[in-house]
This record gives sequence, structure tokens and C-alpha cells, in this order.
Amino acid sequence: NAGVTQTPKFRILKIGQSMTLQCAQDMNHNYMYWYRQDPGMGLKLIYYSVGAGITDKGEVPNGYNVSRSTTEYFPLRLELAAPSQTSVYFCASSSGGAGELFFGEGSRLTVL
Amino acid sequence: AQSVTQLGSHVSVSEGALVLLRCNYSSSVPPYLFWYVQYPNQGLQLLLKYTSAATLVKGINGFEAEFKKSETSFHLTKPSAHMSDAAEYFCAVSAANRDDKIIFGKGTRLHILP
Repeated sequence: NAGVTQTPKFRILKIGQSMTLQCAQDMNHNYMYWYRQDPGMGLKLIYYSVGAGITDKGEVPNGYNVSRSTTEYFPLRLELAAPSQTSVYFCASSSGGAGELFFGEGSRLTVL
Repeated sequence: AQSVTQLGSHVSVSEGALVLLRCNYSSSVPPYLFWYVQYPNQGLQLLLKYTSAATLVKGINGFEAEFKKSETSFHLTKPSAHMSDAAEYFCAVSAANRDDKIIFGKGTRLHILP
């Protein structure tokens, strides 16, 4: 099973550019999440979704957008990239409730 | 709102010694609590979780944690550390039967001394 697949694994952006981080899961999970991980700061929730067509803000949503048109895909859009968005981004999915989070391998983004 | 505080960003223990990683939570409703582990350059994987059943929870690799409501704590322990336990550990909380936001602590990096 592929589980949660994130692309790209690495990307360098210039300030002001935009890009989309892709996330796909093949476990038919309703719940999907985007986190960013910065050294010493743990994981911060950016956006999450409890099902297709439903998204909600997490702890640090500014500068990001998401969509969830299908159960499988949950892309994260960065508009007007800024150096503060340099981070490792993780997508995760779960069956909800107390279900285990399944993480992708992460996408390392650098904004210069 | 839920939050998690992990005491100690770095913890060092000798191989064979007790591992104790501390986690305190804040939640206005009954919580679900989790411990995840992250090895270098990997995503996180679940060690164990508390979901309002038994207060002492056993997980993988010999780890366990005890939910103490009176202390709002969910500390992670392992009787005897192994070199392979060196990793970063994250405590996380969500509100039981609510909006399914899962909030993580800042993490504790565990170092194992030979």
C-alpha cells in the first residue's frame, strides 16, 4: 500500500512565487491534515479536512490555502511565498476520532 | 481549545536506564492523547494512544504511558533504554468526539548514551 504520498520531496522557491504541495492517500480516510515542522517548534497544524468539500483552519493558516474536492487528494497551495514559509511540510490522514495519523514522508520547502 | 506542553526539548539517558518523557495537556473537554515518534528524515509514527479506556496504555517497542487526569499528564516511559530509541518524540492531544483537530507539542529529542 502506498499510504500517504506527498510531492515534491524538495523544492526551492523565490520570494513571491506560488506553488502547490500535493498529497494523496489510498486508505479511504475522511480526515486529512497539513502540518509544518520547524526545528524546536514541533508540528503546527495549517489546515485540516473532515471530508470532501469540508476544510477548516488550523493553528497557522495564513499564507496557505487548501481544497478537498475528493476523498483522496488534499493539496496545499502557497501563495506569494515568503522566507517564513521555509519548513518541512507533512500531510497526514486518519479515519477520524482517535484514529492513528498516517504521515507522508514530508516535503522540504526553501524560500529564498 | 487543546494544547500540549512537553517538558525538556532534549533528554539524555544511558543505555539500559529508565526513559521518562513528560507531557502535560490542557483540554476543556475529555481528551484523546497520543505519543508519536519520528526517526531522522522520516514522518511520524504512532507509539500509543489513550482514548478513555484503561489509564495505563502500552505501545510498541516497550513504551507505555499513564493518563493522570488530576495532574493533566500523559508521561511516556520505558524501563530500559535501547540505542535504537534515539529519536524525537511528540505528544499530541485532540478533543474526544469533537472537531478532530490534533495538536502536537514541540517535541523531545531523546539521546541514548552508550
